[in-house]
Amino acid sequence: QVQLVESGGGVVQPGRSLRLSCAASGFTFSSYGMHWVRQAPGKGLEWVAVIWYDGSNKYYADSVKGRFTISRDNSKNTLYLQMNSLRAEDTAVYYCARDGGKIGLKPIGYWGQGTLVTVSS
Amino acid sequence: EIVLTQSPGTLSLSPGERATLSCRASQSVSSSYLAWYQQKPGQAPRLLIYGASSRATGIPDRFSGSGSGTDFTLTISRLEPEDFAVYYCQQYGSSRGWTFGQGTKVEIK
Repeated sequence: QVQLVESGGGVVQPGRSLRLSCAASGFTFSSYGMHWVRQAPGKGLEWVAVIWYDGSNKYYADSVKGRFTISRDNSKNTLYLQMNSLRAEDTAVYYCARDGGKIGLKPIGYWGQGTLVTVSS
Repeated sequence: EIVLTQSPGTLSLSPGERATLSCRASQSVSSSYLAWYQQKPGQAPRLLIYGASSRATGIPDRFSGSGSGTDFTLTISRLEPEDFAVYYCQQYGSSRGWTFGQGTKVEIK
């Protein structure tokens, strides 16, 4: 069955960096677009970024553009999110999620359980 | 960026009642790219509806979606105890960004 397991969350000071990872299994990772979606404590869902199945295209929410980078290693079945210049408002649970297709034209069908990132001094 | 506005913020209903949730977009959304998700406390979201009106695998037929253009609706025909949760609409498949509405909480009256 499809499994997405995030790691790398924790407490980080404002202005610092953090890299999240998402280990995928149970499906052909290189055939699907992948997303990061976040949820601040007690708040709604916010889409963060998407990467196409082959890594050729990436799109970002305006709130993270220029600070976050999504990437993938299809040989390792792993998705990444490099987060730089972190701000307090980036505090959230970060979900790794699988698109229903290759290039983000399908809804998200599978989600990980999330990893909490707390930005605080 | 397309902004999705959901209403009401909270819906207080009893089991067995009908729930009608609204999602309004700031500009026209292709019906092919409008989805609804359910989220329960402490859990990841679950896909309910895609393409505005198609139920995802395993979703009971008491859930239905409709709408086009800028106005979309999720209807739960008869609320079961397990349906009390938060519901989000989402537009996807656009290079302008994938966005979620702010959510509607369906709570027990």
